[in-house]
Amino acid sequence: DAGVIQSPRHEVTEMGQEVTLRCKPISGHDYLFWYRQTMMRGLELLIYFNNNVPIDDSGMPEDRFSAKMPNASFSTLKIQPSEPRDSAVYFCASKGSYEQYFGPGTRLTVT
Amino acid sequence: AQKVTQAQTEISVVEKEDVTLDCVYETRDTTYYLFWYKQPPSGELVFLIRRNSFDEQNEISGRYSWNFQKSTSSFNFTITASQVVDSAVYFCAPPRNMLTFGGGTRLMVKP
Repeated sequence: DAGVIQSPRHEVTEMGQEVTLRCKPISGHDYLFWYRQTMMRGLELLIYFNNNVPIDDSGMPEDRFSAKMPNASFSTLKIQPSEPRDSAVYFCASKGSYEQYFGPGTRLTVT
Repeated sequence: AQKVTQAQTEISVVEKEDVTLDCVYETRDTTYYLFWYKQPPSGELVFLIRRNSFDEQNEISGRYSWNFQKSTSSFNFTITASQVVDSAVYFCAPPRNMLTFGGGTRLMVKP
């Protein structure tokens, strides 16, 4: 299995622009998570899905953030409009029965 | 609440020293799993181990060992004869493995 795939690996954008991060989970995993990692706040859970349904989005910082999972093999995290404080590494992870497996992350820089 | 506390934010050792990373957890569940992850300087998050709460036997994998003690709600991780390649941030993941991980413990192994 290829593992969790994220794209792009790096994104540099200007404040106010829309950013879309993409994730393909491991086939057969029924949970998908989006995390954000910064030096200040560590590894924060933003939202997670079970069988494509959002279960807990309490970590989504504000309405500028949205996440979708239209099918079992694809999810997006969108930031609109982006702000410099959104700069972070965004990880997607998927889980079958037990542990999570993480993608390589997307490093987002908003200037 | 489901959470972990890794009180050691940063540890520095010299190669070949043994080092223990502490993890204290909180949960109201009667059965649960605990996890450790490693994040090397390259940035990816790597799953290391899963332990079930009803199995308190210590786990050993090469130079790595884990001491799980339900009585003290601790799940500590020891690296024996540390090596430079062990330098990373180590995360103890909360029970249920679906919550914010926090900042982890940064281990620096110097030659």
